[in-house]
Amino acid sequence: DVVMTQTPVSLSVSLGGQVSISCRSSQSLVHNNGNTYLSWYLQKPGQSPQLLIYKVSNRFSGISDRFSGSGSGTDLTLKISRVEPDDLGVYYCGQGTQYPYTFGAGTKLELK
Amino acid sequence: EVQLVESGGGLVQPGRSMKLSCAASGFTFNNYDMAWVCQAPKKGLEWVATISYDGSSTYYRDSVKGRFTISRDNAKSTLYLQMDSLRSEDTATYYCARLNYPGPYMDAWGQGASVTVS
Repeated sequence: DVVMTQTPVSLSVSLGGQVSISCRSSQSLVHNNGNTYLSWYLQKPGQSPQLLIYKVSNRFSGISDRFSGSGSGTDLTLKISRVEPDDLGVYYCGQGTQYPYTFGAGTKLELK
Repeated sequence: EVQLVESGGGLVQPGRSMKLSCAASGFTFNNYDMAWVCQAPKKGLEWVATISYDGSSTYYRDSVKGRFTISRDNAKSTLYLQMDSLRSEDTATYYCARLNYPGPYMDAWGQGASVTVS
């Protein structure tokens, strides 16, 4: 199975600040077709997860450009700029390159 | 508006069975692969199973193979998860999710159904 390691486990940020979350995989996430199927999700307190980013860097419909994904191979990153109160929650990376699909353990974003 | 609404959760004894349903609306259900994802209390997300748009292909994580069955009724726009021989470690909230491509990625999630095995 592909193990997804997220760091840090938690982050404290001031409103308006910028943060980065790292997601490293135990194997390359590059599919045989050359694409990298890495997504980012946010789970706000008491809610279901919601999709933010798919295929490394593509923002899902309605997602602010304050969210950006980057990286390749085994090293992926989510950046959030100008943090707003509605951004708080737990962020997960997830890979769909191979079965079983796996997720990182999550990064909790809190207010400083 | 895309909506996924799970039902069928609750308290069940170890070794017994439970069936979850997920009613889909707001999109053409039979155009999409679907999945179940679970989240144990205070834990992260764990993919459980996937079914293709027409039900012809299914995939499971190893820990549920032979115990869980994912299925769908496209005429009713409903996804199912039949869970047999339940164990305490199956205790979790179970989300149904729509799969989209290029990916797959999970672009719509239900509100979750809580299953407690005790």
